[in-house]
Amino acid sequence: EAGVTQFPSHSVIEKGQTVTLRCDPISGHDNLYWYRRVMGKEIKFLLHFVKESKQDESGMPNNRFLAERTGGTYSTLKVQPAELEDSGVYFCASSQEKGTGTYEQYFGPGTRLTVT
Amino acid sequence: RKEVEQDPGPFNVPEGATVAFNCTYSNSASQSFFWYRQDCRKEPKLLMSVYSSGNEDGRFTAQLNRASQYISLLIRDSKLSDSATYLCVVKRREGGKLIFGQGTELSVKP
Repeated sequence: EAGVTQFPSHSVIEKGQTVTLRCDPISGHDNLYWYRRVMGKEIKFLLHFVKESKQDESGMPNNRFLAERTGGTYSTLKVQPAELEDSGVYFCASSQEKGTGTYEQYFGPGTRLTVT
Repeated sequence: RKEVEQDPGPFNVPEGATVAFNCTYSNSASQSFFWYRQDCRKEPKLLMSVYSSGNEDGRFTAQLNRASQYISLLIRDSKLSDSATYLCVVKRREGGKLIFGQGTELSVKP
């Protein structure tokens, strides 16, 4: 079974440009999460989709970030316009909540974003 | 103060050594606890969940003390392949988001 995939693996853009990151979760996983690791800091939660609905977007840093999950399958995260502090590794994770309430989040390989 | 705090590391140990990682969390609403492993420039992968009764998986033993809000991971007979960053992770009672510690880097030397 294919794991979580992310595209692109790397992106280098200039300040002020727009970048769109894509995540394809494991097939059948209703829960999709975005996380980010800024250099020298811990991995931080950005937002959580359940199917196509935003369940929790409390971690989104500001309105330059827009996440969508049309149709409840893949998700995109757009940064517009990008700022220097947006540089970091963006991870996507998916999970399928089990009846017991416990579940594992499977992470994608991440997109390394560099804003110059 | 960070919600999840870990030993800063790095830990440099010889093969065969026993190494212990500690972690504390500040939010008493935390419900589930995990150790993730992250290799250099790779994604985090679940190593093991942590239960109140303590749990063991081969050379790895995890323990949780809810009263002290403290989590530990013990690695016995360490191998070169154990070299990685170990992330302490908690999940609150509500919602699904994971809250990560900064990670502790382990380097096992021959």
